[in-house]
Parts: sequence; structure tokens; C-alpha cells
Amino acid sequence: SQTIHQWPATLVQPVGSPLSLECTVEGTSNPNLYWYRQAAGRGLQLLFYSVGIGQISSEVPQNLSASRPQDRQFILSSKKLLLSDSGFYLCAWSVFLRGGTEAFFGQGTRLTVV
Amino acid sequence: AQSVSQHNHHVILSEAASLELGCNYSYGGTVNLFWYVQYPGQHLQLLLKYFSGDPLVKGIKGFEAEFIKSKFSFNLRKPSVQWSDTAEYFCAVKPINQAGTALIFGKGTTLSVSS
Repeated sequence: SQTIHQWPATLVQPVGSPLSLECTVEGTSNPNLYWYRQAAGRGLQLLFYSVGIGQISSEVPQNLSASRPQDRQFILSSKKLLLSDSGFYLCAWSVFLRGGTEAFFGQGTRLTVV
Repeated sequence: AQSVSQHNHHVILSEAASLELGCNYSYGGTVNLFWYVQYPGQHLQLLLKYFSGDPLVKGIKGFEAEFIKSKFSFNLRKPSVQWSDTAEYFCAVKPINQAGTALIFGKGTTLSVSS
């Protein structure tokens, strides 16, 4: 079966420090991968998505970047965190199966920038 | 750009009341449609999905949703809510036949059910 691992679960970082959140998927190949940020009252905001290794699409201009060095690995990064980067970050993967595309989510990372 | 609108930000109901949460999307082509639920302290879970066929789809825990193509809507319904349905509900749309598009979510609706 397919599983998605996202870590760490919680993270407290000072302003100006770098960030690296990692997400890996098991049990599937060539998935579409996503990074979302969830904020109260704003739902899930799509940050990045990737349809293949090295292929990243950015949905909103921001202080963050994403990379996909391997087929089933998706990394969210920042060189210098801002207070406004605090939030709940979700990794997800999707694959086309049984006539449609279904997405599956990781447990999320609660990032607090202090 | 595609977007998803959920009309209700916060819905408060008593147990046994009926529920309908609105969802509209802006995309003229073929779509896959989803409702996800997030219970307090838990991660997102798929409630139901529509790919094709019968526009009335049934999901887990007695939920159902109806796809009305002419209205670009995919409203979620439950005839009788329970206290355990208290959660945040997200509608999501995935355009198909369009390479490289992502799953787009609405802003969510918080449902509070009082016992």
C-alpha cells in the first residue's frame, strides 16, 4: 500500500534561519507531489506542485522554494524564514487511478517562526 | 485560474439537523471533485469523490454529494448530523485533460454540531 511520510511534525525556528521540510512517498511511482499551507480561514493554499523529477510549479510568490531530487521525494525550503511563514504545511501526492485522480495527505508539519 | 468557493465559513447545527454545504468551482472543462474532512487534531481524510457517472455520490459516514454540471456545483449533504461530525470540510477540484494541474481547495467550512 502507498504511504506518505512527512517530517518533522512540529518545528520552531527563529526568524532568518533556513528551513527544510521533507516528504517521501512509498508504494507508488511517478506521483504528482504537492505542498500546501493550511491557515485558519484560508483553507489549503497550494504552494508548489511537481509532476516529475526536477519539475516544480509555484502557485504563489513567496519566501519558499521546493525541489524534487528523486521521484518520491519532495522538499520545501527557505533560506531565511519570516514570521509570516508560520503555519501548518501539508505534503500530498496524487495518482491517476480508476478513472480519476485521487490525492493523499501527510500528517503535516506545524511550523512556528519566532 | 481555477478556483473553488465554499459559501459557508462556519455552520452551527444541532444533532439530527440536516446539513448542506455549498461548493462551486470555476473551470469549464471536465473535473474530478472531492470533499475532504479534517476532524479536530487529525489529518485530512477523503470523504467522497466524483470521477464520472452517477452525479450523486455517496461517501463514508452517511455523507453524499451531488454534482450539477450546469451549476458548477458539488454540494455536500447529510440528512441527520451527529456530534461526531464536528470538523472542517474542504471541497476540492482537479481539472482533468489538462496536464500539470493541481488539486485546488476551497477555504473550508467549519461545522460545529451541538448535542
